[in-house]
Amino acid sequence: GENVEQHPSTLSVQEGDSAVIKCTYSDSASNYFPWYKQELGKRPQLIIDIRSNVGEKKDQRIAVTLNKTAKHFSLHITETQPEDSAVYFCAARPSSGNTPLVFGKGTRLSVIA
Amino acid sequence: DAGITQSPRYKITETGRQVTLMCHQTWSHSYMFWYRQDLGHGLRLIYYSAAADITDKGEVPDGYVVSRSKTENFPLTLESATRSQTSVYFCASSEQGTGELFFGEGSRLTVL
Repeated sequence: GENVEQHPSTLSVQEGDSAVIKCTYSDSASNYFPWYKQELGKRPQLIIDIRSNVGEKKDQRIAVTLNKTAKHFSLHITETQPEDSAVYFCAARPSSGNTPLVFGKGTRLSVIA
Repeated sequence: DAGITQSPRYKITETGRQVTLMCHQTWSHSYMFWYRQDLGHGLRLIYYSAAADITDKGEVPDGYVVSRSKTENFPLTLESATRSQTSVYFCASSEQGTGELFFGEGSRLTVL
C-alpha cells in the first residue's frame, strides 16, 4: 500500500523567512496530494492541494510542487508569520475516487518573532 | 448549525469499559472516516464508510467497531477499552468525487 514519508518532523524559522516541508510517496498511481494545517488544539484543515497533472500550485504565500518522477512533493511557505505556526500534514491518495488518504506523520512548524 | 460534530469532546474511562464516540454531519457527504492522532504517528485511519451500511477497515482497526445505519451518523465503539487507545479521535467526511476532508473538532479519550 501507499506509504508517505514527511520531513522534517520539526522546523523552526524566523519570522519573514521561508519554510519548506517535503514528502515522498511510494505508490506511483497516487494522483492527489493535499496539505492540511492543524493549529494547536484545533482540527486539521485543508490549505492547498495538487493533482498529478499539475507541477506547481500557488495560493498567496503558500505553494506546493510535485515531482512525479521522483515521487515527492513539497510545501513552500514564504514570508512566514507567527500565525503560520502549526502542525502540517501532507497526504497522498493512491487512486481516483475516494480511496482514503494516507497521511505523513506531520511537521511542527514554529515561526519565531 | 451545518457541519460535522463529535461527542463527547472529552472522555475519561477505565480499562475494559465500552466507549462510543459519536459523529454527525449535516452535509449529506457520502464518505465518513475515523482517524486517531498520536504524537509521532500523525493521523492514522481506523475505519471508513463509503455510504450507509458500507464500512471498511483502515490502517489500525483492531479493537474498534463502527456502524453506519444513517448517512449522517458514524459512531465509533471501543468494545473493551485499553490504555493504548488513549488518543485524540477525529471524525471526517468528504463528498464523493472531491478530495477535501472536513474534520470534526476531535474527541480526546483517556483510558486509565
